[in-house]
Amino acid sequence: GAVVSQHPSRVICKSGTSVKIECRSLDFQATTMFWYRQFPKQSLMLMATSNEGSKATYEQGVEKDKFLINHASLTLSTLTVTSAHPEDSSFYICSATDLAGGRNNEQFFGPGTRLTVL
Amino acid sequence: AQKITQTQPGMFVQEKEAVTLDCTYDTSDPSYGLFWYKQPSSGEMIFLIYQGSYDQQNATEGRYSLNFQKARKSANLVISASQLGDSAMYFCAMRKNYDMRFGAGTRLTVKP
Repeated sequence: GAVVSQHPSRVICKSGTSVKIECRSLDFQATTMFWYRQFPKQSLMLMATSNEGSKATYEQGVEKDKFLINHASLTLSTLTVTSAHPEDSSFYICSATDLAGGRNNEQFFGPGTRLTVL
Repeated sequence: AQKITQTQPGMFVQEKEAVTLDCTYDTSDPSYGLFWYKQPSSGEMIFLIYQGSYDQQNATEGRYSLNFQKARKSANLVISASQLGDSAMYFCAMRKNYDMRFGAGTRLTVKP
């Protein structure tokens, strides 16, 4: 099946610094990638949808200036958490849709990135 | 807006028995897809099964089957012959036009 990678898998940073998370589709082209955030013992909440070559669409309540998303190619999307604070500590998961539609329109998920802001 | 409801925060099942995890959804769109994912403690989202809104038959994938009742807007997951490795969080999700939303999840614990 299609593979989506994320890097880094874990990151610890100081409050006020910025952190970049990469999401790559390894064996398929992804016109659309999604970024989710999952707090402990909660569900995945969609943060934004990014389409290759265009601006991301953010969900209500998600600050676009704080969570910068770039989808510069069909295989790479990045999420930058700017001026991170402890409340941004969470599990960030990306997913991607296969250009050809995938298996039953499946979205392929990355393994997630656990961000801890001290 | 899409709404996915999983009313069981936690479920227990004896090893080798079957278990049903409930999921209801709300949408006015006739075209949508329903998914179930398993999330073990490692955090990865593992795709289990998919049901399209126009599919006539209930989806099955090995030990997983989806009890799709369109009129009731329910898409319950049935796991047969539970195994210890099935212990995890299970999320129901609905997708419209590549927009996928998740339910709150159900934590399944399989007892030996």
